[in-house]
Formats: sequence, structure tokens, C-alpha cells
Amino acid sequence: QSALTQPASVSGSPGQSITISCTGASSDLGNYVSWYQQHPGKAPKLMIFDVTDRPSGISDRFSGSKSANTASLTISGLQAEDEADYYCSSYTTNITRVFGGGTRVTLL
Amino acid sequence: EVQLVESGGGSVQPGRSLRLSCTGSGFTFGDYGMTWVRQAPGKGLEWVGFIRSNTNSGTPEYAASVKGRFTISRDDSKSIVYLRMNSLKNEDTAVYYCSRGTLAGFDWGQGTLVTVSS
Repeated sequence: QSALTQPASVSGSPGQSITISCTGASSDLGNYVSWYQQHPGKAPKLMIFDVTDRPSGISDRFSGSKSANTASLTISGLQAEDEADYYCSSYTTNITRVFGGGTRVTLL
Repeated sequence: EVQLVESGGGSVQPGRSLRLSCTGSGFTFGDYGMTWVRQAPGKGLEWVGFIRSNTNSGTPEYAASVKGRFTISRDDSKSIVYLRMNSLKNEDTAVYYCSRGTLAGFDWGQGTLVTVSS
């Protein structure tokens, strides 16, 4: 069982915005929350780190935020290539990292 | 361009050992902590452990599920991080990825498949 809880699936129409939540205990969800995109058969790709920061080359359609014990990834202007699995991760106070169970994003 | 290439995967019987390697290029390997993450077939990502850079103590940390069985080490002269896996169990079957960084995985290899089965 994951220490971070994500919805199993989220869907949206092209051009819409969707938000994926990631909920954990206060000790699990600090300032080092990251988000990963994974297409089938591919390696994960970092989309957001340190809660809100985007690596170079990542579209500004992807944004991250955190409030209390819930972090969120918002994808704006949903596109076909955004269909993928998304995982949150956090560095915990126990000096470990944990992943959420993953969320499948599908386009309607 | 940062590249990470894992190797050493394969089929192994329960109770046996295996050592995975991850070779990095395109960045100053010794400046970074390195992380191992695995993904069982059809399942989500699971953090296995990381090793800090030698300038940051060079010490490893492990997930509870592998602590005492797996060992992470590094050879900065060769730009390689290793994952030694002992006493393998069926549930260790997964694709094993290495990634650059400890607080987040900035770059990832393509993964190497480990199958534990009798």
C-alpha cells in the first residue's frame, strides 16, 4: 500500500484542464514533491520537482502545487500526448522516498 | 545529453543473487546522488533506495522491503552505480530503473528486467 494516495484515473476532453491529487501524512509530504509522467513501455519522465518547479523543456501547461497534506498536478490545455500514467513522489522525514500508486490520465 | 544505461538484469532463481549496474554519461557523475526505482509488471513505481554523492557522505538509504538484502554502491571513477541484490524473492520481479538525483529523479535509464522464478 502506497504512503501517498492518488486517484486511479482522471479523464478530460482535449483543451480542458485536469488536476491530479496526491495525499499523504504530514511527515510524508514535505517540500520535495515531484511528479512523473510514464507512457506505456517507457521510462518515467520528471515533470515537476520541489512541489512547483519545472525542469527545462517541460511545457508550462504542467504545474504543481501543495496545500497542507495534498499535492496537486494540473495539466492545462489537455493534449493527446498527455495520455499517460502519472506518479507523485515525496522525500519523507524518515529519509526515504515514497511514490503514489499512480493515476491514469485518459482523454474523452 | 545525460544518459543512464542499466545492465545486468535477467532470470534468476529465488534465493540467488544478482548485481545491476547503471552507467552514467553527459554529467559530472560524482556530483550527484543516484536512485534505484523498480516497477513490477503492471504495477506502479516503487522506490528501492539511493546513494548520496561522496561529497554528501556517500551513504545509502533503502526501502524497508529490501533493507538487509540489497546494497547500493558507486564507483565514481567509472561513473557507475551498482545494485547488489541478495536473497531474491519472487516479489522482486520488476523492471529496475536508475535515476539521477535523490530528492527527485531528474533523468532515468531505460530499465533492466529482473525475473525471479524457479
